[in-house]
Amino acid sequence: EPEVTQTPSHQVTQMGQEVILRCVPISNHLYFYWYRQILGQKVEFLVSFYNNEISEKSEIFDDQFSVERPDGSNFTLKIRSTKLEDSAMYFCASSDSGGETQYFGPGTRLLVL
Amino acid sequence: QKEVEQNSGPLSVPEGAIASLNCTYSDRGSQSFFWYRQYSGKSPELIMFIYSNGDKEDGRFTAQLNKASQYVSLLIRDSQPSDSATYLCAAITADSNYQLIWGAGTKLIIKP
Repeated sequence: EPEVTQTPSHQVTQMGQEVILRCVPISNHLYFYWYRQILGQKVEFLVSFYNNEISEKSEIFDDQFSVERPDGSNFTLKIRSTKLEDSAMYFCASSDSGGETQYFGPGTRLLVL
Repeated sequence: QKEVEQNSGPLSVPEGAIASLNCTYSDRGSQSFFWYRQYSGKSPELIMFIYSNGDKEDGRFTAQLNKASQYVSLLIRDSQPSDSATYLCAAITADSNYQLIWGAGTKLIIKP
């Protein structure tokens, strides 16, 4: 069964460093999403991406964040200058159309020291 | 502000009983509703989705939607210890470019 994959599973970085989180969505899906979940808190929407552009972003997704689909398979989330409060699980998801079920990857646990 | 509300629990249910999880949403424009299960430290895993009023059954799971009351529920029959997890309710609205609006989740504990 096709699934969303994410790398790395864990990332530890120093405050102020740049990190890139990688995702490979399900191959025939067209909509891609990033969510985050701070430990013990609810899942929060960051951004959605369709047709090679951002379709929606939340207030969390400020200028420090960017997304890219550099090739036909990868979907990346970059945080330019990490802050302590960026420590969270980051989930990538994909769906084959806008209102349909979103399938989640296993997540990347980011720890900013 | 579009919101999805859930009782955080924990909800404790004996093994073999029916677990009933509830969710309300504030935006009448919400179109589709999803129940995800999340084990600690893991990613959300889809259990069911529903977009029509009424009941939808899949195995031991039944989702119920009442758009007039803006209420969604998930029933788990013959609860098993492996059902112990946090259950997340989420809604999608077309005018928010299909982003999922999440509830905080209900922690379910099935006692053997």
